[in-house]
Amino acid sequence: DAGVIQSPRHEVTEMGQEVTLRCKPISGHDYLFWYRQTMMRGLELLIYFNNNVPIDDSGMPEDRFSAKMPNASFSTLKIQPSEPRDSAVYFCASSNGQGRADYGYTFGSGTRLTVV
Amino acid sequence: KQEVTQIPAALSVPEGENLVLNCSFTDSAIYNLQWFRQDPGKGLTSLLLIQSSQREQTSGRLNASLDKSSGRSTLYIAASQPGDSATYLCAVSRVRHNFNKFYFGSGTKLNVKP
Repeated sequence: DAGVIQSPRHEVTEMGQEVTLRCKPISGHDYLFWYRQTMMRGLELLIYFNNNVPIDDSGMPEDRFSAKMPNASFSTLKIQPSEPRDSAVYFCASSNGQGRADYGYTFGSGTRLTVV
Repeated sequence: KQEVTQIPAALSVPEGENLVLNCSFTDSAIYNLQWFRQDPGKGLTSLLLIQSSQREQTSGRLNASLDKSSGRSTLYIAASQPGDSATYLCAVSRVRHNFNKFYFGSGTKLNVKP
């Protein structure tokens, strides 16, 4: 199993540009999570999906952030327009819930985003 | 709202020492608790997962305990090695609604000196 795959690993963009982060969860996992990590706030849950359906997006900071999961093997997190305060490491994680909470998370390696 | 606190924020020990990392949570109605390790510039690696009905889990030199009633978990590392240097995070999940939603502590940064 290749684990949770995120791309790109690093992204540097100018303020105002659109940024798209990508995630491929572990095959068979039915939960997918997007987290943001900063020194000030630690790990924050942005949004999560169950069976490709967004369940809780209360952590999405603003309308500039959007996430989609068009199928079970792919998800995107988009920021448009990007701002310097969006600079952080964005993690994707997946979990095999199967209707139970017995399973933990598997994280991707993250995307380090820098908005200048 | 569930709040997770980890103490200490940073710890420096000589190689070979046994050490304990602490995690406390405010809402004891958790479903499970997971300990992670994060190396600088890397993602999170799962170390141990404890179900709410369990008291502890062991993996090699690591032992994690859970006391739901007091809202505490500890991660015990035996015979620490320089390779154990990393940030350790604990996370707890809620028992109802969004049951698979984890709340993370801010981590303990461990440095094991050779």
